[in-house]
Amino acid sequence: EDQVTQSPEALRLQEGESSSLNCSYTVSGLRGLFWYRQDPGKGPEFLFTLYSAGEEKEKERLKATLTKKESFLHITAPKPEDSATYLCAVQVPMEYGNKLVFGAGTILRVKS
Amino acid sequence: DTAVSQTPKYLVTQMGNDKSIKCEQNLGHDTMYWYKQDSKKFLKIMFSYNNKELIINETVPNRFSPKSPDKAHLNLHINSLELGDSAVYFCASSQGPWDFGRTDTQYFGPGTRLTVL
Repeated sequence: EDQVTQSPEALRLQEGESSSLNCSYTVSGLRGLFWYRQDPGKGPEFLFTLYSAGEEKEKERLKATLTKKESFLHITAPKPEDSATYLCAVQVPMEYGNKLVFGAGTILRVKS
Repeated sequence: DTAVSQTPKYLVTQMGNDKSIKCEQNLGHDTMYWYKQDSKKFLKIMFSYNNKELIINETVPNRFSPKSPDKAHLNLHINSLELGDSAVYFCASSQGPWDFGRTDTQYFGPGTRLTVL
């Protein structure tokens, strides 16, 4: 069964304290790994797509990396506005179309 | 301009009622989706439509019936609502799955919080 596991469930950081979020996956056929950010009461906001092992993407203080079994979202010198739930999802092919299989998310709190 | 919009934002109703949620996208995408996010925050796919045709149906009860009048709209009708239907429902859209060599980024709407009393 396709499965995505994110760790830790929650992470508290001081402003400027860098850290990483982990996403490990077991899927039958990977057609891409996605990172989304979700603020309370809002829909997931697309951050990155990674398609092949070794690939890296960066956006401001965020950097996503991908290996054959997991992905990391590195947060460098975070600010309070980075506080959100970060969701990892893998795109899995189906007979017609693709579906996203999501992890449970990591709740990030950055304190000033 | 809102890319993927949903109405209503909040929906509170009694058990046994029938309700609908509407979704519209102005991204010119061919594929639309409905996801359910339960109290544990897991997002799970329910349905997917490509150009008004159902392509994914993830063993959702028959009480849930999606309808796509055109490729920019995907509505979700729920009959005989149950307590367990309480959740946040998200609509999403993407360009489409037909080019299997590339990833297909999905863009989400703001969600509809359904509460069944």
